[in-house]
Amino acid sequence: EDQVTQSPEALRLQEGESSSLNCSYTVSGLRGLFWYRQDPGKGPEFLFTLYSAGEEKEKERLKATLTKKESFLHITAPKPEDSATYLCALQAAGNKLTFGGGTRVLVKP
Amino acid sequence: DAGVIQSPRHEVTEMGQEVTLRCKPISGHNSLFWYRQTMMRGLELLIYFNNNVPIDDSGMPEDRFSAKMPNASFSTLKIQPSEPRDSAVYFCASSLAPRFRGVTTYNEQFFGPGTRLTVL
Repeated sequence: EDQVTQSPEALRLQEGESSSLNCSYTVSGLRGLFWYRQDPGKGPEFLFTLYSAGEEKEKERLKATLTKKESFLHITAPKPEDSATYLCALQAAGNKLTFGGGTRVLVKP
Repeated sequence: DAGVIQSPRHEVTEMGQEVTLRCKPISGHNSLFWYRQTMMRGLELLIYFNNNVPIDDSGMPEDRFSAKMPNASFSTLKIQPSEPRDSAVYFCASSLAPRFRGVTTYNEQFFGPGTRLTVL
């Protein structure tokens, strides 16, 4: 069975304090690893798709990387507006996404 | 460009009542998904459609839940009868899944704002 585990569950950062979020997965055949950002009261917002081990993608202060067993979302010099819940999801067969439990990030000024 | 549209945004009902949630996907997208999000279970896929056809409904909790997609621009998720444990935020998402040389490829999903359902 496909499984996705995110850690830590919550992360408190000072503004400018870089950190990384982890997404570990087990899947029989990975088609894609997705990262989403979710703000309170809103739907998840797409950030990145990674398809193969070694792939990296960047967007502003966020950088996502992928290995054969896990993905990392690095937040460099975060700002308060980066506070959100970050969700990873894997896509195996068909068009199904299996989501992890998310990491709640709070960046304090 | 309008994103995924869901209605209502909030629904409060009593146990035993029928609830209908509605979704309009992004124009041109041919895949539509219904998810449920709770604190305990996170974000779970209930059902998804490709080209208006239900492909996988293995996440639908039980027979009280049903979903339809009569055309490319509209879908409904119905709960009848509703129970307090159905209280959650229900999201609709859409994506473009083009076929190339007989192979379907899947792109990122775009989510609507959600419907917060409370069953008393």
